[in-house]
Amino acid sequence: EVQLVESGGGLVQPGGSLRLSCSASGFTLSGYAMHWVRQAPGKGLEYVSVISNEGDSTYYADSVKGRFTISRDNSKNTLYLQMTSLRPEDTAVYYCLTSRTTVVPSMDFFDYWGQGTLVTVSS
Amino acid sequence: EIVLTQSPATLSLSPGERATLSCRASQSVSRYVAWYQQKPGQAPRLVIYDTFNRATGIPARFSGSGSGTDFTLTISSLEPEDFAVYYCQQRSRWPITFGQGTRLEIK
Repeated sequence: EVQLVESGGGLVQPGGSLRLSCSASGFTLSGYAMHWVRQAPGKGLEYVSVISNEGDSTYYADSVKGRFTISRDNSKNTLYLQMTSLRPEDTAVYYCLTSRTTVVPSMDFFDYWGQGTLVTVSS
Repeated sequence: EIVLTQSPATLSLSPGERATLSCRASQSVSRYVAWYQQKPGQAPRLVIYDTFNRATGIPARFSGSGSGTDFTLTISSLEPEDFAVYYCQQRSRWPITFGQGTRLEIK
């Protein structure tokens, strides 16, 4: 059974940094690209980023480009999202999601969701 | 980027009634539209993918249709557990985008 467990969220001041992790099980992480999607409180879903299966290619939404870095450690079955220069508008629940392919930008629908991790950017 | 506009924003219906939710794309997305159901405090759940394919475990009362720019999610006879927020999503062109959601509430 595919399981995705996000962690690392919390309260951070504007301009601060945070690193999110996503622990994957039930499948071989190295065989798939991986995505991050976020949802601000009471709002809709927003696409954030994707990384190829080997980690050598990444894509970002314009809203986070230059501030967020997606990475992965396949030996640890873990996906990461390093967030810097955080803004109040980055406040959201962050979800990691699996792709069906290795290449990026992969255009997927998402049938496995974790519980997400809440990031709150506030002073 | 492709903008998805969902209507109505809120739909008030009673159990047993038929629900019709709309998703319109700013340009053609072929058949690459998915629908998700989200209940309070939960992650979204895939309902329909690629316009009309039901996801695993989704009951037959859910159906999807459309092509190009106009898509519909239909719930033939509402059950109490169907009341939730529904989002459409396109995977035709980068970046992946989502609609703003339709809240399906009990009348």
